[in-house]
Amino acid sequence: DSGVTQTPKHLITATGQRVTLRCSPRSGDLSVYWYQQSLDQGLQFLIQYYNGEERAKGNILERFSAQQFPDLHSELNLSSLELGDSALYFCASSVASTSAQYFGPGTRLLVL
Amino acid sequence: AQTVTQSQPEMSVQEAETVTLSCTYDTSESDYYLFWYKQPPSRQMILVIRQEAYKQQNATENRFSVNFQKAAKSFSLKISDSQLGDAAMYFCAYSDSWGKFQFGAGTQVVVTP
Repeated sequence: DSGVTQTPKHLITATGQRVTLRCSPRSGDLSVYWYQQSLDQGLQFLIQYYNGEERAKGNILERFSAQQFPDLHSELNLSSLELGDSALYFCASSVASTSAQYFGPGTRLLVL
Repeated sequence: AQTVTQSQPEMSVQEAETVTLSCTYDTSESDYYLFWYKQPPSRQMILVIRQEAYKQQNATENRFSVNFQKAAKSFSLKISDSQLGDAAMYFCAYSDSWGKFQFGAGTQVVVTP
């Protein structure tokens, strides 16, 4: 158990819908990262927050947004969902931006 | 843009033997960090080892060690005394000083008895 929690574990929704994925980092970690892992594209870095502020941005679509709240939990919002958004979404946390990351178990999203 | 290349889609190793996974990266930064992560069939991502680019000494963690060649931009992972539990997908990852990560495509390690 990495200490990072993600909810929900599974999510099934339809195209065009909007969903919110939630992540609680390990106690004491200030950085939260979001990743997308699909079968054909490997692990894609989406975005990083550090202590409530956006720190680094990767290949995050405009339909996706994230935020980190004062209690350091984070949410990833996915809107106007498409079939291709079906993937495993990981959250990870670390003490600082370049420290070792600890991954949550992921949220499996299926868009039908 | 930084890229991370893992040229071996799959590697097979016998129990108790040694296997080396290759990783090369491209960057113009001088300050960066390199990682190896393991993803077993459970899909959980597990940190194996971390290397800071400014450190010349190669990182080691028990049976896992790296060969970091900064000039060649190479960061290989050696698994010694392989065990059945080492079977997994292994990802090489690069992070710049801001924490922007790039992962390689992964190498599947198969361990045979």
